Amino acid sequence: DTAVSQTPKYLVTQMGNDKSIKCEQNLGHDTMYWYKQDSKKFLKIMFSYNNKELIINETVPNRFSPKSPDKAHLNLHINSLELGDSAVYFCASSRGASYGYTFGSGTRLTVV
Amino acid sequence: GQQLNQSPQSMFIQEGEDVSMNCTSSSIFNTWLWYKQDPGEGPVLLIALYKAGELTSNGRLTAQFGITRKDSFLNISASIPSDVGIYFCAGCSNDYKLSFGAGTTVTVRA
Repeated sequence: DTAVSQTPKYLVTQMGNDKSIKCEQNLGHDTMYWYKQDSKKFLKIMFSYNNKELIINETVPNRFSPKSPDKAHLNLHINSLELGDSAVYFCASSRGASYGYTFGSGTRLTVV
Repeated sequence: GQQLNQSPQSMFIQEGEDVSMNCTSSSIFNTWLWYKQDPGEGPVLLIALYKAGELTSNGRLTAQFGITRKDSFLNISASIPSDVGIYFCAGCSNDYKLSFGAGTTVTVRA
């Protein structure tokens, strides 16, 4: 049973395209996150939702739009992809940040 | 966001060695956590610390929450090849998000 699952695992696409990454958690957690890991492995928070409500929206281009249809799902849609969007994107969930996150296995996005 | 300074940036281990890494912050945290990331996977929680001065072990791993609440260290004793990976510290000052260090990459010495 995968706790936090995200799809696809790999995504290769051309500049200018629009793509989505899906995330689902079966842990019953209230809070979900999207993080971006760059080539230097730094983990940077992008968004956080608590019970379907957006609670964190860091400085992220408007081309990135999260959507949470219910508290078990948090999807990430990216418009007009750019070369600099290439990274690994991690979904995570928690019952409160101080308990730690459970991460998905990541989506490696490559924009060519 | 809050900056965590994690060191060393990278290290080489030889099987059987004890290794240590640490994290410092200019801000106080209420919780310190340590994660490990294997290639192609997401980070996995190793140890969580909730009280200043707390020392917690998980097998060969030991972590401490600094008394000033601005630092933490992680020790790995008697290292084995599967200890390679990237170790991240993370601090939490509210319940909304973690701030992560830049990671310590552990590699086996040839």
